[in-house]
Amino acid sequence: QVRLQESGPALVKPSETLSLTCTVSGGSFSLYYWSWIRQPPGKGLEWIGYISDSGSANFNPSLKSRVTISMDTSKNQFSLKVSSVTAADTAVYYCARGVGATHFQNWGQGTLVSVSS
Amino acid sequence: EIVMTQSPGTLSVSPGERATLSCRASQSVSSNLAWYQQKPGQAPRLLIYGASTRATGIPARFSGSGSGTEFALTISSLQSEDSAVYYCQQYNNWPPFTFGPGTKVDIK
Repeated sequence: QVRLQESGPALVKPSETLSLTCTVSGGSFSLYYWSWIRQPPGKGLEWIGYISDSGSANFNPSLKSRVTISMDTSKNQFSLKVSSVTAADTAVYYCARGVGATHFQNWGQGTLVSVSS
Repeated sequence: EIVMTQSPGTLSVSPGERATLSCRASQSVSSNLAWYQQKPGQAPRLLIYGASTRATGIPARFSGSGSGTEFALTISSLQSEDSAVYYCQQYNNWPPFTFGPGTKVDIK
Protein backbone atom coordinates (compact mmCIF):
# COMPACT_ATOMS: atom_id res chain seq x y z
CA GLN A 1 0.00 0.00 0.00
CA VAL A 2 1.64 3.22 -1.14
CA ARG A 3 1.82 6.07 1.36
CA LEU A 4 2.65 9.72 0.66
CA GLN A 5 3.72 12.19 3.35
CA GLU A 6 4.27 15.92 2.89
CA SER A 7 6.81 17.79 4.99
CA GLY A 8 8.11 21.34 5.20
CA PRO A 9 7.70 24.68 6.97
CA ALA A 10 4.19 25.63 8.04
CA LEU A 11 4.92 29.36 7.84
CA VAL A 12 6.59 31.27 5.02
CA LYS A 13 7.15 35.02 4.78
CA PRO A 14 5.81 37.02 1.84
CA SER A 15 8.20 37.22 -1.14
CA GLU A 16 10.12 34.16 0.06
CA THR A 17 10.15 30.63 -1.39
CA LEU A 18 7.83 27.88 -0.21
CA SER A 19 9.54 24.46 -0.16
CA LEU A 20 7.83 21.13 0.45
CA THR A 21 8.90 17.50 0.12
CA CYS A 22 6.76 14.42 -0.41
CA THR A 23 8.15 11.11 0.80
CA VAL A 24 6.75 8.01 -0.88
CA SER A 25 6.75 4.64 0.84
CA GLY A 26 5.40 1.27 -0.18
CA GLY A 27 5.59 1.92 -3.90
CA SER A 28 7.85 2.56 -6.87
CA PHE A 29 8.32 5.81 -8.76
CA SER A 30 8.14 3.95 -12.03
CA LEU A 31 5.08 4.23 -14.28
CA TYR A 32 3.49 7.00 -12.22
CA TYR A 33 3.21 10.77 -12.35
CA TRP A 34 3.78 12.71 -9.14
CA SER A 35 1.72 15.85 -8.60
CA TRP A 36 1.29 18.73 -6.22
CA ILE A 37 -2.25 20.03 -5.63
CA ARG A 38 -3.31 22.79 -3.27
CA GLN A 39 -6.51 23.88 -1.53
CA PRO A 40 -6.89 27.35 0.02
CA PRO A 41 -8.83 27.24 3.31
CA GLY A 42 -12.52 26.66 2.61
CA LYS A 43 -12.00 26.57 -1.16
CA GLY A 44 -11.57 24.08 -4.00
CA LEU A 45 -8.66 22.15 -5.46
CA GLU A 46 -5.99 23.56 -7.77
CA TRP A 47 -3.46 21.39 -9.60
CA ILE A 48 0.02 22.92 -9.40
CA GLY A 49 2.13 20.57 -11.50
CA TYR A 50 3.61 17.11 -11.91
CA ILE A 51 6.86 15.32 -12.50
CA SER A 52 6.82 12.02 -14.33
CA ASP A 53 8.81 8.92 -13.53
CA SER A 54 11.17 9.88 -16.37
CA GLY A 55 11.73 13.32 -14.86
CA SER A 56 9.67 15.43 -17.25
CA ALA A 57 7.57 18.11 -15.61
CA ASN A 58 4.44 20.05 -16.48
CA PHE A 59 2.84 22.96 -14.65
CA ASN A 60 -0.35 24.93 -14.30
CA PRO A 61 0.15 27.93 -16.60
CA SER A 62 -1.16 30.21 -13.84
CA LEU A 63 1.78 29.23 -11.61
CA LYS A 64 4.41 28.10 -14.10
CA SER A 65 6.72 31.08 -13.71
CA ARG A 66 7.05 30.52 -9.95
CA VAL A 67 7.03 26.72 -9.60
CA THR A 68 9.76 24.08 -9.66
CA ILE A 69 9.19 20.36 -9.11
CA SER A 70 12.06 17.91 -8.76
CA MET A 71 12.54 14.34 -7.62
CA ASP A 72 15.16 12.23 -5.87
CA THR A 73 14.39 8.60 -6.58
CA SER A 74 17.22 7.43 -4.33
CA LYS A 75 15.30 8.92 -1.40
CA ASN A 76 11.82 8.14 -2.78
CA GLN A 77 11.02 11.85 -2.61
CA PHE A 78 9.78 14.61 -4.86
CA SER A 79 9.73 18.29 -4.02
CA LEU A 80 7.91 21.54 -4.71
CA LYS A 81 9.23 25.07 -4.69
CA VAL A 82 7.01 28.13 -5.14
CA SER A 83 8.87 31.43 -5.31
CA SER A 84 7.75 34.97 -4.47
CA VAL A 85 4.84 33.80 -2.34
CA THR A 86 1.97 36.03 -1.24
CA ALA A 87 -1.00 35.50 1.07
CA ALA A 88 -2.84 33.99 -1.92
CA ASP A 89 -0.48 31.02 -1.72
CA THR A 90 -1.77 30.10 1.74
CA ALA A 91 -3.28 26.65 1.34
CA VAL A 92 -3.20 23.00 2.27
CA TYR A 93 -0.68 21.46 -0.09
CA TYR A 94 -1.17 17.83 -1.14
CA CYS A 95 1.15 15.50 -2.97
CA ALA A 96 -0.52 12.85 -5.08
CA ARG A 97 0.28 9.88 -7.28
CA GLY A 98 -1.28 9.74 -10.72
CA VAL A 99 -1.74 6.93 -13.15
CA GLY A 100 -0.03 8.64 -16.04
CA ALA A 101 -1.34 12.11 -16.77
CA THR A 102 -4.84 11.27 -15.65
CA HIS A 103 -6.57 10.97 -12.29
CA PHE A 104 -4.98 11.10 -8.84
CA GLN A 105 -5.05 7.64 -7.31
CA ASN A 106 -3.32 8.26 -3.98
CA TRP A 107 -2.94 11.39 -1.89
CA GLY A 108 -0.87 12.50 1.07
CA GLN A 109 -2.67 13.82 4.15
CA GLY A 110 -1.81 17.41 3.21
CA THR A 111 0.11 20.13 4.99
CA LEU A 112 -1.09 23.66 5.70
CA VAL A 113 1.31 26.37 4.63
CA SER A 114 0.54 29.91 5.70
CA VAL A 115 2.15 32.96 4.12
CA SER A 116 2.47 35.75 6.66
CA SER A 117 5.05 38.12 8.04
CA GLU B 1 -8.43 25.93 -19.94
CA ILE B 2 -11.45 23.69 -19.43
CA VAL B 3 -13.82 25.05 -16.79
CA MET B 4 -15.71 22.53 -14.69
CA THR B 5 -18.99 23.42 -13.01
CA GLN B 6 -20.95 21.36 -10.49
CA SER B 7 -24.53 21.45 -9.30
CA PRO B 8 -26.12 21.76 -6.90
CA GLY B 9 -23.79 23.54 -4.52
CA THR B 10 -25.31 21.69 -1.58
CA LEU B 11 -27.52 18.60 -1.55
CA SER B 12 -29.47 17.44 1.51
CA VAL B 13 -30.56 13.82 1.34
CA SER B 14 -32.11 11.43 3.84
CA PRO B 15 -30.33 8.17 4.65
CA GLY B 16 -31.27 5.43 2.22
CA GLU B 17 -32.29 7.86 -0.50
CA ARG B 18 -30.59 8.38 -3.86
CA ALA B 19 -28.30 11.35 -4.44
CA THR B 20 -27.40 12.57 -7.92
CA LEU B 21 -24.59 15.08 -8.39
CA SER B 22 -23.92 16.82 -11.71
CA CYS B 23 -20.70 17.96 -13.33
CA ARG B 24 -20.40 19.88 -16.57
CA ALA B 25 -17.32 20.69 -18.68
CA SER B 26 -16.95 23.84 -20.78
CA GLN B 27 -15.94 21.63 -23.72
CA SER B 28 -15.85 17.91 -24.37
CA VAL B 29 -13.55 15.87 -22.12
CA SER B 30 -14.62 12.55 -23.64
CA SER B 31 -14.71 10.07 -20.73
CA ASN B 32 -11.60 11.53 -19.09
CA LEU B 33 -13.31 12.49 -15.86
CA ALA B 34 -12.77 11.50 -12.23
CA TRP B 35 -14.77 11.99 -9.05
CA TYR B 36 -13.34 12.46 -5.55
CA GLN B 37 -14.82 12.50 -2.07
CA GLN B 38 -13.39 14.80 0.57
CA LYS B 39 -14.40 14.69 4.22
CA PRO B 40 -13.50 17.53 6.63
CA GLY B 41 -9.84 17.57 7.53
CA GLN B 42 -9.01 14.77 5.12
CA ALA B 43 -7.41 14.49 1.71
CA PRO B 44 -9.63 13.79 -1.30
CA ARG B 45 -10.24 10.12 -2.07
CA LEU B 46 -10.60 8.82 -5.62
CA LEU B 47 -14.06 7.33 -6.23
CA ILE B 48 -14.49 7.09 -9.99
CA TYR B 49 -12.22 7.44 -13.03
CA GLY B 50 -12.88 7.09 -16.74
CA ALA B 51 -16.29 8.62 -15.94
CA SER B 52 -17.72 5.29 -14.76
CA THR B 53 -15.03 2.96 -13.35
CA ARG B 54 -15.04 2.59 -9.59
CA ALA B 55 -11.65 2.85 -7.91
CA THR B 56 -10.38 0.00 -5.77
CA GLY B 57 -12.37 -0.48 -2.58
CA ILE B 58 -15.17 1.93 -3.47
CA PRO B 59 -18.64 0.62 -2.55
CA ALA B 60 -21.00 -0.34 -5.34
CA ARG B 61 -23.52 2.31 -4.25
CA PHE B 62 -21.29 4.87 -5.97
CA SER B 63 -21.66 5.01 -9.74
CA GLY B 64 -20.60 7.44 -12.44
CA SER B 65 -22.07 8.14 -15.84
CA GLY B 66 -21.82 10.50 -18.77
CA SER B 67 -19.41 11.54 -21.50
CA GLY B 68 -18.53 14.63 -23.45
CA THR B 69 -19.63 17.59 -21.34
CA GLU B 70 -22.28 16.16 -18.99
CA PHE B 71 -21.53 13.79 -16.12
CA ALA B 72 -23.24 12.48 -13.01
CA LEU B 73 -22.22 10.80 -9.79
CA THR B 74 -25.00 8.77 -8.18
CA ILE B 75 -25.04 7.45 -4.63
CA SER B 76 -27.79 4.87 -4.79
CA SER B 77 -28.60 4.58 -1.08
CA LEU B 78 -27.01 7.31 0.99
CA GLN B 79 -25.21 6.30 4.18
CA SER B 80 -24.29 8.65 7.02
CA GLU B 81 -20.59 8.25 6.19
CA ASP B 82 -21.22 9.68 2.69
CA SER B 83 -21.52 13.20 4.10
CA ALA B 84 -18.69 15.00 2.29
CA VAL B 85 -17.78 17.36 -0.53
CA TYR B 86 -17.56 15.73 -3.95
CA TYR B 87 -15.31 17.08 -6.72
CA CYS B 88 -15.10 16.23 -10.40
CA GLN B 89 -11.82 16.56 -12.32
CA GLN B 90 -11.07 16.47 -16.04
CA TYR B 91 -7.87 15.08 -17.51
CA ASN B 92 -8.64 15.32 -21.22
CA ASN B 93 -7.10 18.71 -21.98
CA TRP B 94 -4.11 19.75 -19.91
CA PRO B 95 -2.26 21.57 -18.58
CA PRO B 96 -3.94 22.33 -16.40
CA PHE B 97 -5.93 19.46 -14.95
CA THR B 98 -9.02 21.21 -13.58
CA PHE B 99 -11.48 20.49 -10.81
CA GLY B 100 -15.05 21.55 -10.31
CA PRO B 101 -15.97 23.74 -7.30
CA GLY B 102 -17.53 20.80 -5.46
CA THR B 103 -20.95 19.68 -4.24
CA LYS B 104 -21.51 19.33 -0.52
CA VAL B 105 -23.71 16.40 0.47
CA ASP B 106 -25.48 16.75 3.80
CA ILE B 107 -27.42 14.03 5.57
CA LYS B 108 -30.91 15.11 6.61
